[in-house]
Order: sequence, then structure tokens, then C-alpha cells
Amino acid sequence: AQSVTQLGSHVSVSEGALVLLRCNYSSSVPPYLFWYVQYPNQGLQLLLKYTTGATLVKGINGFEAEFKKSETSFHLTKPSAHMSDAAEYFCAVSEPVGSARQLTFGSGTQLTVLP
Amino acid sequence: DAGVIQSPRHEVTEMGQEVTLRCKPISGHNSLFWYRQTMMRGLELLIYFNNNVPIDDSGMPEDRFSAKMPNASFSTLKIQPSEPRDSAVYFCASSLKIYEQYFGPGTRLTVT
Repeated sequence: AQSVTQLGSHVSVSEGALVLLRCNYSSSVPPYLFWYVQYPNQGLQLLLKYTTGATLVKGINGFEAEFKKSETSFHLTKPSAHMSDAAEYFCAVSEPVGSARQLTFGSGTQLTVLP
Repeated sequence: DAGVIQSPRHEVTEMGQEVTLRCKPISGHNSLFWYRQTMMRGLELLIYFNNNVPIDDSGMPEDRFSAKMPNASFSTLKIQPSEPRDSAVYFCASSLKIYEQYFGPGTRLTVT
């Protein structure tokens, strides 16, 4: 069975500082991996995804993530935080279930950006 | 594209009442998902449909919950009777690639 662990339910960074949100997964097959972002009172929005190919993937708003199979990790980074990045971020893993694929979400990391 | 549309956005009801949440997926998407989000349990998949057929309802908490998708452009999630512990934000999502989901804005349900 697949699972996702997000280390740190709350992360605070200063505006302009590096953002690093950690995600580790467990999957019995090559996974598809995702980061979603949820702004207050909104639904989740896909930030970026890894399916196959290049292990460093770039997403919207300057975010990127690197798939490291040996570490079973898919950490999310952004070189310089902006106030508008304050939101909750969810890592998700997808693997085949029967004839389809399902997403399993992590518990989320609340990012606070300090002025 | 209008995105996934959910109604109502907020619902307050009394324990024992029937609640119906509605979802219109993105046109052309063939999969639809219902999720529940709470502080305690996070984001939980309740049920998902593929081509209007329920594929996995193992996340539906109990018989009080039911979901239907009568056609490709409409789905409902019904709770009857509702209980205070059902209070949560309910999200509908749709996708063409089953793992790349587009979420609606959610319905915030409060059961008193």
C-alpha cells in the first residue's frame, strides 16, 4: 500500500528565504508524485507532478521538486519565498489500484512567510 | 473553463436532517472524486467515479453516506441523517488523467 509522510506540519520562513517542504513516500511500484497547494477557503491546486523522465520537475510560481528514488523522497523547494506563498501544501502519491490509479495525500504542511 | 463547480458553498443544518451536496465536473473529464477534509483526519477520499460508474467507495464512512453520478456533468453526495461529526469541508474533484485532479472550492458543512 502506498503512503506519504510530510515532515513538519508547520514551516515558517522569512520573505526571500529558501522554502523547503519535505515529503517521503512509500510505494510498491514506481510512483507518480505530486504537490498540491491549498490557499485559504479554496480547493487544492496542482503545483507540479512527477510521472516519468526527468527527476527534477518545475511547477507554477517558481516551485520545483526532485524525485530521489534512493531516498524515497520528493521534497518541494523554492529559492525565494514570497508572501503570497503562504498556504497549505500537500504531497501526494499515486499508484495503480486495480485498473485505475488513486491518489494518497499526506497530512499537509502549513507554510507561513514572515515579513 | 469554469472549473469544478460545487454547491452550496456553505451549509448549516441540524442533526438528523438530510444534506445534499452537488458537483459539476469540468467538461470532458471522465473521473470524479469526493473528498472530506477535517482538522483531525486531513483529506480523505470518500468515493470516486470513472465514466459515471462508482469504482471505489471504500472511503464512505457509513451507510448514511451515498453518492450518485447520473450523468457526466453532475454528481451528488447525500448524508441522511446528518450528525455533528459529519461537519467538514467536502471537496469534489474531476480529472481526465486520473492522477491529475482539479478541485472545486468545497462545501463547508456544519451540523449542529
